[in-house]
Amino acid sequence: GAVVSQHPSWVICKSGTSVKIECRSLDFQATTMFWYRQFPKQSLMLMATSNEGSKATYEQGVEKDKFLINHASLTLSTLTVTSAHPEDSSFYICSAYLTSDLYEQYFGPGTRLTVT
Amino acid sequence: AQTVTQSQPEMSVQEAETVTLSCTYDTSESDYYLFWYKQPPSRQMILVIRQEAYKQQNATENRFSVNFQKAAKSFSLKISDSQLGDAAMYFCAYTSGTYKYIFGTGTRLKVLA
Repeated sequence: GAVVSQHPSWVICKSGTSVKIECRSLDFQATTMFWYRQFPKQSLMLMATSNEGSKATYEQGVEKDKFLINHASLTLSTLTVTSAHPEDSSFYICSAYLTSDLYEQYFGPGTRLTVT
Repeated sequence: AQTVTQSQPEMSVQEAETVTLSCTYDTSESDYYLFWYKQPPSRQMILVIRQEAYKQQNATENRFSVNFQKAAKSFSLKISDSQLGDAAMYFCAYTSGTYKYIFGTGTRLKVLA
């Protein structure tokens, strides 16, 4: 099956700094990837849709200047949390899909971000 | 707008018994897909089962089966012969032509030995 990886799996950063999270499709090309945020004991909240070669589409209420998304190639999307604050601490998950696979999304293992 | 509702925040089942997790959704679309995902403590999302709305036959994957009632907009998951490894959060998800998922709030399943 299709495999999606994320790096790092856990990152701790100081308040005010920026941190980059990578999402890679390992064995397929993904023109579209999704970024989710998940708070403890809650569901996944879609943050944005990442499109290769074009601007990301952000969901309502998501600050596009804080959460910068770059989909520079067919296998890599990055999420940069700029000027991080403790309230940005969360679990971030990316996903991608195969158009040939009945709309199923393949999820990365997630990245735990802790802002101190 | 489409919505997905999971009304059971937590369920418990005895090992080897059967449990059913509920999911209802609201949509005006006629063609869509429904999924059940499992999220164990590792937090890796794992596909359990999927159902295409145009298929009347309920999907089955080993011990997992669904009861898909399109008119009632209901999509429940039945887990037979429950195992300790089934303990996890279970999310119901909906998608149509946009590929974007709408997730329910999740049901935490506990399996009792």
